[in-house]
Parts: sequence; structure tokens; C-alpha cells
Amino acid sequence: DTAVSQTPKYLVTQMGNDKSIKCEQNLGHDTMYWYKQDSKKFLKIMFSYNNKELIINETVPNRFSPKSPDKAHLNLHINSLELGDSAVYFCASSQANRGTEAFFGQGTRLTVV
Amino acid sequence: GESVGLHLPTLSVQEGDNSIINCAYSNSASDYFIWYKQESGKGPQFIIDIRSNMDKRQGQRVTVLLNKTVKHLSLQIAATQPGDSAVYFCAENGDTGKLIFGQGTTLQVKP
Repeated sequence: DTAVSQTPKYLVTQMGNDKSIKCEQNLGHDTMYWYKQDSKKFLKIMFSYNNKELIINETVPNRFSPKSPDKAHLNLHINSLELGDSAVYFCASSQANRGTEAFFGQGTRLTVV
Repeated sequence: GESVGLHLPTLSVQEGDNSIINCAYSNSASDYFIWYKQESGKGPQFIIDIRSNMDKRQGQRVTVLLNKTVKHLSLQIAATQPGDSAVYFCAENGDTGKLIFGQGTTLQVKP
């Protein structure tokens, strides 16, 4: 029944590793997003996909690569993890890429040690 | 640049009182605004939204006010309850298509 689900919820890994976070939405939405929330709770958009096509790509290191195999899924792969990547990553979806509310997943807390 | 900000980082209210959380935005082209509530360990949850052709919208115990002249948004919560304790974010959706979040206000409800 979960509308936007992302896995894993917690991820602890060493510097230099490569990791992926998966996201799926069952709302039939066309648009999906990845947001990063830092330790001060600031939420910043990273990427946005509309019908599997990248439409927003913020200034994010190219170690971060989103992939959307279909419009219900948007995964985030991170190469060569760094300490500064530690944060909570949220996946979200919305019916359209503008003017509609975004529904958020529960978040993935990434800790790089 | 685009920015959405909140005036106070923390708001402490007595249970039963009304709460008002404020937000300022800078992009005059923004035409859609949302308030989100985030409880500890969870993702942001939609509370209420408003479009730029309105200046007030009411929900259950919540009211959002939009003043486009001064680019100000507020969330009023009536009869605040302990379950209202959370971080509240305003977000704006403008011509860039991005949903831009403010820095968040922590609401603490004292019993």
C-alpha cells in the first residue's frame, strides 16, 4: 500500500564504495525526484525525471547517476562515496512536473564512514 | 537566485493555542505553494497547498495565507496538538519546474 517506497532505509558504507538506492511509486505518477536532506534538515532537489526522461539535473557531482528503467522506478547510484555524501536521501513523485504536490518516500539515511 | 526562507527556526506553543509559521519566497514567478510536515524519521508529508490566484485556503485545522505583494506565505494551525510537533516546510513551484523548499521551522507543542 506504500505509495512511494525506497530501499534501503539505512545504509552504512565505507568511503570509496559504490552503492545504490532504489525507489518505486505505485501512484501512476509521471514525475519522480531525488532530494537530499542535510544535517540541518535542508531539502535540496538533485534530479527530476518525467516519463523516464531527465528534466532537472542540479549541480550534483557526476558520481551520482540516476536511472529510470520505467516511469514507476527511479534509482540512484553513487560511485566512490565520500564522507560529505552522508545525508538522508528522499525519493518523491508527482502527477506532473509542475503545479502538483510531491509525495515522498520514507528516506534512506546514508552514512559514509 | 531562488530562495524560500522561514523567519524562525523554532516555534514553541502551548497545547490548544494557535500556531503561525511564516515563510518568505523570492521568486515572483512562483505560482504554486505547498506546506509539508516532517516528523522524525519520516519523509515530508503534504498538509495543504495554494495557487497564486488565491490568497487563502482552509483545510482541517489548517489555513494557508498567501501575500503575493510581499512574497509571504503562512501556515496557521488551530488548537495545536502534541501530534502537530514536527518540522514544517514551505515549498514553492515556479517557472523552473523545481519544487524548492525553505529551511524548515521546528514546531514544539508543550502540554
